Amino acid sequence: EAGVVQSPRYKIIEKKQPVAFWCNPISGHNTLYWYLQNLGQGPELLIRYENEEAVDDSQLPKDRFSAERLKGVDSTLKIQPAELGDSAVYLCASSLTAYNEQFFGPGTRLTVL
Amino acid sequence: AQSVTQLDSQVPVFEEAPVELRCNYSSSVSVYLFWYVQYPNQGLQLLLKYLSGSTLVESINGFEAEFNKSQTSFHLRKPSVHISDTAEYFCAVSERGTDKLIFGTGTRLQVFP
Repeated sequence: EAGVVQSPRYKIIEKKQPVAFWCNPISGHNTLYWYLQNLGQGPELLIRYENEEAVDDSQLPKDRFSAERLKGVDSTLKIQPAELGDSAVYLCASSLTAYNEQFFGPGTRLTVL
Repeated sequence: AQSVTQLDSQVPVFEEAPVELRCNYSSSVSVYLFWYVQYPNQGLQLLLKYLSGSTLVESINGFEAEFNKSQTSFHLRKPSVHISDTAEYFCAVSERGTDKLIFGTGTRLQVFP
């Protein structure tokens, strides 16, 4: 069974440019999470989806970050415009439902120059 | 609000030696506790978890952790480490009844031959 798939694995952009990350969760998993992992830190939740509904986006900086999960399957996280401080690893995770084990993807490492 | 403290950012150890990775948490309510492992260039994987019942939990690869409520700790131990155990280890807590994970800053375990 395939795990959580994320692309791209690495992205280098200049500040003020837009960037998008894609996540395909494990088949059948209804809950999808996006986490931010800064260097030397643990992951921090950005947003959680139950199917296509964002049920917790309290930690998502909405001035520049947006996310969608239109059909309740794969998801896209966007930053526009990117800032130097956005350099980090963006992790996607999924679980069968909330309160089940979360399975993490390998992450997208973003570098903003 | 919950928080997790992993005091040791790096733990160097020789192969076949015992190891303990420390984790302390703070919370005003009952919690679930987790250890995740992150191998280089891979996503986080659940190593073991404490939900209820026996305070000593074990993983399939020889790690164990003990929930100590009075000391608010959930230290991870292994009696004899292997080179392949080299990885980043994250302790996490979630409030009972929620699925929101709060991660510590991680401990890098480096096993030397």
